[in-house]
This record gives sequence, C-alpha cells and structure tokens, in this order.
Amino acid sequence: NAGVTQTPKFQVLKTGQSMTLQCAQDMNHNSMYWYRQDPGMGLRLIYYSASEGTTDKGEVPNGYNVSRLNKREFSLRLESAAPSQTSVYFCASSPRQGAKFIATNEKLFFGSGTQLSVL
Amino acid sequence: AQKITQTQPGMFVQEKEAVTLDCTYDTSDPSYGLFWYKQPSSGEMIFLIYQGSYDQQNATEGRYSLNFQKARKSANLVISASQLGDSAMYFCAMREGYAGKSTFGDGTTLTVKP
Repeated sequence: NAGVTQTPKFQVLKTGQSMTLQCAQDMNHNSMYWYRQDPGMGLRLIYYSASEGTTDKGEVPNGYNVSRLNKREFSLRLESAAPSQTSVYFCASSPRQGAKFIATNEKLFFGSGTQLSVL
Repeated sequence: AQKITQTQPGMFVQEKEAVTLDCTYDTSDPSYGLFWYKQPSSGEMIFLIYQGSYDQQNATEGRYSLNFQKARKSANLVISASQLGDSAMYFCAMREGYAGKSTFGDGTTLTVKP
C-alpha cells in the first residue's frame, strides 16, 4: 500500500540548476499539494491542484512551476534553483469531495519528503 | 494576517501527565476543518485528529482530544497520559471550504520528560 510516493528523497543542486520533484499517489485522490518546510517552521503551501487539470498558487509560488500530469501525478519544477529554496518539500493528497466542500474528515496524506539543498 | 496561530514554540510535560497545545484560527468561511498533525524527529507527518466546523461535539481519538471553542476560534489539542514517544513537533492546520487548501501553523515542539 504505497500511498504518496515522492522522489528523490535527497538532492543537492548548484545555484541556477533545474530539477523536477516527482509525486504520485495511488489512492484515487482528487486533490494534490506541494508544501515546503524550512527548519523549525511550519509547512507553507507552494502550489496545489484541486482536481485533475487544475492548478493554483499557494502562499509561496515564486520560483516554482507545477504540472498535474494526470490524476495520480503532480510534479514540482525548480527552473533556476536558488539557495533560498533549500528546504524540505512535502507532497500531499486528499480525497476532496468536489466544488461544494462540506467539512468532512479530509486529512492530508503526506509523502516522506525531499530534502533539497541548493549551494 | 496569520490564519493559524500556535503561540507555544516549545512545551515540556512530565511523562503520564496531560498537556494542552494551543491553536487559534481565523476564517470567514462557515465550512472548514481543523486538523492536528504530529511530526517526529524522523520527519514524517502523522495525522492525529480532526474537527469539522459543523461538528457539535469535541473530537476524540484515543489519548488525543480536541477542545473546540468555535466562538473563540480556538482548537486546542489535549494529550492525556503523555508518553516519551509523544515528543515531537505538533502542527495545527485548517482546511477552508471553498478553496480546499490547508494552512499550517508554525508548530509546537513538545518534549516529554521521564
């Protein structure tokens, strides 16, 4: 039972390099999210995809792009990495009922995280 | 404005005692959900407990309970009979109805002393 799978687990980049973080879920969830967590801090939303075919900016989207490739996969791309993007990145998914959201137990299912260092 | 506020950066509790971790939130959406997650030193995020904005009763999950005071916009986590394994960072999060995205607080680091 894989849940949410993120790759890679660790990555070191030089300033200006590009890379893509991959995320896939096998729970048939509608919504997927990318968060970053800086040391000693909470999670900040980078981008999210409420459903297949849609993406929206979160709190800290600058320097990132995303692609919702299909219902299972949601990738995060750094086009030109900067030291300020050194962080732990988490992908998450949740069922989400649809456009009319009524408060239900839609907890987030998290991947194991990617530790990214930009030198 | 901060949507989720956790005012206790660090807390200490004696093993077997109860502890309350504070969380206040801000939203104008009538439909929302409040969540608590635990992050041990290994880094994974573990769901603990959920409270819906329309729920009449406070949520409970084993040793975890949520003290939900809607008028005060607070959703404090109560851990009863603390164990050494409860030492971790705890995050309060809110999911708002229309956008469906979750916002996290900055977390509280809980240390359980033997």
